[in-house]
Amino acid sequence: KAGVTQTPRYLIKTRGQQVTLSCSPISGHRSVSWYQQTPGQGLQFLFEYFSETQRNKGNFPGRFSGRQFSNSRSEMNVSTLELGDSALYLCASSSLTGGGEHQETQYFGPGTRLLVL
Amino acid sequence: AQKITQTQPGMFVQEKEAVTLDCTYDTSDPSYGLFWYKQPSSGEMIFLIYQGSYDQQNATEGRYSLNFQKARKSANLVISASQLGDSAMYFCAMREGPGGSEKLVFGKGTKLTVNP
Repeated sequence: KAGVTQTPRYLIKTRGQQVTLSCSPISGHRSVSWYQQTPGQGLQFLFEYFSETQRNKGNFPGRFSGRQFSNSRSEMNVSTLELGDSALYLCASSSLTGGGEHQETQYFGPGTRLLVL
Repeated sequence: AQKITQTQPGMFVQEKEAVTLDCTYDTSDPSYGLFWYKQPSSGEMIFLIYQGSYDQQNATEGRYSLNFQKARKSANLVISASQLGDSAMYFCAMREGPGGSEKLVFGKGTKLTVNP
């Protein structure tokens, strides 16, 4: 089974621009979560989607948004980029059925490295 | 308050020796899951092992085992027979409750270096 894929792998943008990152989950997985990883803040949860609905959101400004399509693929968008948005953005998928099984493992993609200049 | 604490920023171990990476957690929820992930320099988070709060036995996956001490709220990762390829960042993470959320809370990580 193919793993989680993320595109692009690397991205360079300038302040004020916007960016869209894409994530394709493992086939059959319906839950997709996004995380931001920076040296200073570590790994922080951005949001989670299940069956095209955002179920949980982390403490990030409204510039960060996302969506999920009917095929479970997900995109996240960051508008009006700031220098502090430079980070590794990780997407994870799981086969969580919606019943809240905390033992469901999240499988991560290789990440998108975003550099904002 | 930090929910996941990893007190060892860096650890060194000789090849073929065992090493323990510490993780303590804080939760009032009786139902939770604990995970360990490995992150090589490439950036991808690789799932290693899972322990549920109701599991009676410590989890094991090949050379990885989890020393779960519920009363002490600790979930230490033990890597036996270290290999050079084990050099990476290791993260402990927790998911709380049956609320249907996929949110994982991560610790700051421990950088493991395996010396030949």
